[in-house]
Amino acid sequence: TQLLEQSPQFLSIQEGENLTVYCNSSSVFSSLQWYRQEPGEGPVLLVTVVTGGEVKKLKRLTFQFGDARKDSSLHITAAQPGDTGLYLCAGRGVGSSNTGKLIFGQGTTLQVKP
Amino acid sequence: NAGVTQTPKFQVLKTGQSMTLQCAQDMNHEYMSWYRQDPGMGLRLIHYSVGAGITDQGEVPNGYNVSRSTTEDFPLRLLSAAPSQTSVYFCASSYVGPGGTQYFGPGTRLLVL
Repeated sequence: TQLLEQSPQFLSIQEGENLTVYCNSSSVFSSLQWYRQEPGEGPVLLVTVVTGGEVKKLKRLTFQFGDARKDSSLHITAAQPGDTGLYLCAGRGVGSSNTGKLIFGQGTTLQVKP
Repeated sequence: NAGVTQTPKFQVLKTGQSMTLQCAQDMNHEYMSWYRQDPGMGLRLIHYSVGAGITDQGEVPNGYNVSRSTTEDFPLRLLSAAPSQTSVYFCASSYVGPGGTQYFGPGTRLLVL
């Protein structure tokens, strides 16, 4: 069974602070995705990382895929109240029994106070 | 394109009742899946399908059935609802492959009394 451990589960910070969310597993994933979810809506994809060691930037958000493709991080620089939401990492499995399956971490609830 | 649609948006059931949650997508995606979301547990995969006529179990399949007779539709059936199935249910679809963007429906909020 592939599991993704996401930490921290809750984060409350002041506007302008930096933060990092981690997503770890003992399993290898063919890709790792990060989603953001607003209350009452479904998750929306932010980024997909596919290659070990890959780094992608989306404005103030930086995403990294671990070299061994078992972990990932999301770093937000100078957080703003508009960043408030639930952030979810999700890994797509490898191997014939896992191909296509997308497994989610528990999520990180971020609150950015003005 | 409507994307991924789910019906109903909200449902209240009594223990032991059955119902079907509908999901449809118009993007010709091979991959479709059902998740349930509970506080502090993220999204847990119930069942998924990589194409018409092919379904497989996810992390929490017990109490749920699925079928995939067409590419567009992927209904989720609760045969005998239990209070533990109170949750928010999301349907999603994507192209098969490591980089496929998963598109989610708006969710169905289910309360089982």
